[in-house]
Amino acid sequence: GAGVSQSPSNKVTEKGKDVELRCDPISGHTALYWYRQSLGQGLEFLIYFQGNSAPDKSGLPSDRFSAERTGGSVSTLTIQRTQQEDSAVYLCASSRDRSFQAFFGQGTRLTVV
Amino acid sequence: AQSVAQPEDQVNVAEGNPLTVKCTYSVSGNPYLFWYVQYPNRGLQFLLKYITGDNLVKGSYGFEAEFNKSQTSFHLKKPSALVSDSALYFCAVRDPGTSGYSTLTFGKGTMLLVSP
Repeated sequence: GAGVSQSPSNKVTEKGKDVELRCDPISGHTALYWYRQSLGQGLEFLIYFQGNSAPDKSGLPSDRFSAERTGGSVSTLTIQRTQQEDSAVYLCASSRDRSFQAFFGQGTRLTVV
Repeated sequence: AQSVAQPEDQVNVAEGNPLTVKCTYSVSGNPYLFWYVQYPNRGLQFLLKYITGDNLVKGSYGFEAEFNKSQTSFHLKKPSALVSDSALYFCAVRDPGTSGYSTLTFGKGTMLLVSP
C-alpha cells in the first residue's frame, strides 16, 4: 500500500478481554515499530522489529503485551487481559532502514471500559 | 541508553515571528536525529532529519534544524511562524550503535501555539 495501515481504527473492549491490533507496513520496509500514546503524553516505545533479527521488546510494559511480525511484513500487537490503563492510541511505524525516517499509521484508539 | 529531552511543554509565538522548539539528546555514538509534527487527530508526519553532512538541515513547510554536536542539541526553527504551524512537535533520536540498528526514541513533545 501507499502508507502504513492500522486496523481497527477504534476499539472498545471490556476490562479483562484480549485484543489484537494489526499493522500493515509499507512494502519493502525492514523496520517496524510499535508505540503507545496516552492522552496528552508523548510516544512510549513498545517494541521494534528489524529484518530477521530478534525484536527489541524492551519497551513492553508487562507480560500481557506481545507482538509478532509474520514473514517480515504484517505485525500484530496483542494485549491480554486488558486493563483500563491500557487505554491509549497505539501507533505503528515502518522505515526502510535505520537512516530513513519512519512513516506512521493513523493509529488504533483503544478504550478499555 | 539513548534519550531525548524537549524541555518545553509549550511554546507560544505570534504569527510572523521566528520560532524555536528545543531538543537535546544523549547517545553513545553519532546520532540520527528526526523531527515529527502531529496535528490534532492526525498521525505523525515527518519534517526533517539529520544523518550526516551539513549541520543545518531543511525540511517540510519551511522548517529547519541545526545539529550542534558540542551542545548535543537539534533545535527546530522557522523564520516566520504561521497560525497553521500550531501542533505538537516531537524530536526523535536513533543511535546506530555497534549492532547496526536500534530503535527510535522520542521526546515527550512540545506543543507549539501560534497566535494571529
